Amino acid sequence: KAGVTQTPRYLIKTRGQQVTLSCSPISGHRSVSWYQQTPGQGLQFLFEYFSETQRNKGNFPGRFSGRQFSNSRSEMNVSTLELGDSALYLCASSLEQGPNSPLHFGNGTRLTVT
Amino acid sequence: AQRVTQPEKLLSVFKGAPVELKCNYSYSGSPELFWYVQYSRQRLQLLLRHISRESIKGFTADLNKGETSFHLKKPFAQEEDSAMYYCALREAAGNKLTFGGGTRVLVKP
Repeated sequence: KAGVTQTPRYLIKTRGQQVTLSCSPISGHRSVSWYQQTPGQGLQFLFEYFSETQRNKGNFPGRFSGRQFSNSRSEMNVSTLELGDSALYLCASSLEQGPNSPLHFGNGTRLTVT
Repeated sequence: AQRVTQPEKLLSVFKGAPVELKCNYSYSGSPELFWYVQYSRQRLQLLLRHISRESIKGFTADLNKGETSFHLKKPFAQEEDSAMYYCALREAAGNKLTFGGGTRVLVKP
């Protein structure tokens, strides 16, 4: 089974621009979560989607948004980029929730904002 | 609010020595606890979850609800154990993980 796939692997953007990151979950997984990883703040939860609905949201500004498609693929969008948005963005998928559904992570998209 | 604390940022041990990574949590409900590992230039991988009570790569972790801890242990560290280790808590509903700050383990030959 293919793992969680994130594209692109690297992105360089300028302040004020917007960016869209993509995540393809493991086949059959219906839950997709997004995390931001930075040296200062560590791993922080952004949001989770399940069956095309946002089920949970972290403490990030409204510039961060996401969506999930009917095939469970997910995208996250960051508008009006700031220097502080430079980070590794990780996507994770799981079957549903509960003890038999651990999260599996992708390799991440490294975003650099200049 | 839930919180996960890993007090050690760096643990340096010699090959063959025991290693213990500490993890403490605060959560009002009944949590699920996990250990994830990130080897150099690899993705974050699930190592252990408290619900399965298994040993993976010689590592074990016991959930102590009284002390709200989920420490990771291995009796004899190997050089290939050098990696970044994260303790994480999942709330009862949904798939939100709260991560600790991580502990870098360096196993010296």
